[in-house]
Amino acid sequence: GQQLNQSPQSMFIQEGEDVSMNCTSSSIFNTWLWYKQDPGEGPVLLIALYKAGELTSNGRLTAQFGITRKDSFLNISASIPSDVGIYFCAGPSNYQLIWGAGTKLIIKP
Amino acid sequence: ETGVTQTPRHLVMGMTNKKSLKCEQHLGHNAMYWYKQSAKKPLELMFVYNFKEQTENNSVPSRFSPECPNSSHLFLHLHTLQPEDSALYLCASSPAGLAGYTGELFFGEGSRLTVL
Repeated sequence: GQQLNQSPQSMFIQEGEDVSMNCTSSSIFNTWLWYKQDPGEGPVLLIALYKAGELTSNGRLTAQFGITRKDSFLNISASIPSDVGIYFCAGPSNYQLIWGAGTKLIIKP
Repeated sequence: ETGVTQTPRHLVMGMTNKKSLKCEQHLGHNAMYWYKQSAKKPLELMFVYNFKEQTENNSVPSRFSPECPNSSHLFLHLHTLQPEDSALYLCASSPAGLAGYTGELFFGEGSRLTVL
């Protein structure tokens, strides 16, 4: 079946650093979604991308829909403590969402 | 009231127990979902209900039994579970049912289940 591969699996960063993570697939998606899950909470949608090549920002977050439609990137600029959590990419397929395994962001004290 | 509410937040049960998880959404959405979340794995879709009708059952064992009495409420009845069923169970809803599905889901906080 379809799979989304997220990397890295986890990241340890200093506050203030920029963060980059990506999501790749062997098949094409027409929509890419990025969700964030805070500790003890359910995932929340951050950014939705609907067009190949699209670059969309939400505050300090920027996401791009890869031109091949097989990948997407999420960047976070100037990370702050509340950025910790798990970031998931997801893509709709046959009225279901295919999910990546997540990138866990940890900020070093 | 928050958008999607799940109870209980934590549940510990023995393998012979019968318990239920409850989900309620206050968003006026038409579709509701149960997901299983295990550490370092993608979210696993279990069941989908669209306008109270079950439209998806992803080969879930019969020891998990969903119930959707109306568009706002969803239950997951648990019976004779196994230790490997221990996980976070997430309920979600979406504005659109199967038609016009955009992938935008609104999740509850989850019910952390431990099976002893």
